[in-house]
Amino acid sequence: GNSVTQMEGPVTLSEEAFLTINCTYTATGYPSLFWYVQYPGEGLQLLLKATKADDKGSNKGFEATYRKETTSFHLEKGSVQVSDSAVYFCALSGMDSNYQLIWGAGTKLIIKP
Amino acid sequence: NAGVMQNPRHLVRRRGQEARLRCSPMKGHSHVYWYRQLPEEGLKFMVYLQKENIIDESGMPKERFSAEFPKEGPSILRIQQVVRGDSAAYFCASSPITSGFYEQYFGPGTRLTVT
Repeated sequence: GNSVTQMEGPVTLSEEAFLTINCTYTATGYPSLFWYVQYPGEGLQLLLKATKADDKGSNKGFEATYRKETTSFHLEKGSVQVSDSAVYFCALSGMDSNYQLIWGAGTKLIIKP
Repeated sequence: NAGVMQNPRHLVRRRGQEARLRCSPMKGHSHVYWYRQLPEEGLKFMVYLQKENIIDESGMPKERFSAEFPKEGPSILRIQQVVRGDSAAYFCASSPITSGFYEQYFGPGTRLTVT
């Protein structure tokens, strides 16, 4: 079945460091891929998305590229800020059930000043 | 345009009581989804509803849990005779009528604590 695997956290970085959070998936067909962010005590916000191979989603300095050949959708940011501290979730919606989002376990990101 | 509204934000229930969680979708959205997030885990799909219809409840526990989305008013997730294992964050999401993939917008969640 469909699944999403994220790198385990917490990930701790200093301000202005480069960020990569790995996400790989297993799915039939061509799923849509998403990154959601959850700030402390809040709900999830859609950060970026990609709907087909080689698409690059971007928002707020974050980027992720849909790589069909490596079944990956790694999240990157060139220079993180303390305000980026949150939990980041990778998710997919598959072709057989494209409303039922399948989620990774989440990666907690801690940015130190 | 107001986002997805959920209330209450925090709910404390004793074992055996009923918990009732409400979700008002974004204006113009007619699809509602409920997810549960256990501590330190990702979200798990529970149920997908449209107005007056349950489309997919494959993620709902067979007993004690029910959901509805009436013609008027919010969607309700009801948990009867709660147990400690029901303690979790429950998130509601909504989406508009679209074809293709569904972009879901999430509410702030209801954090249920069973004592």
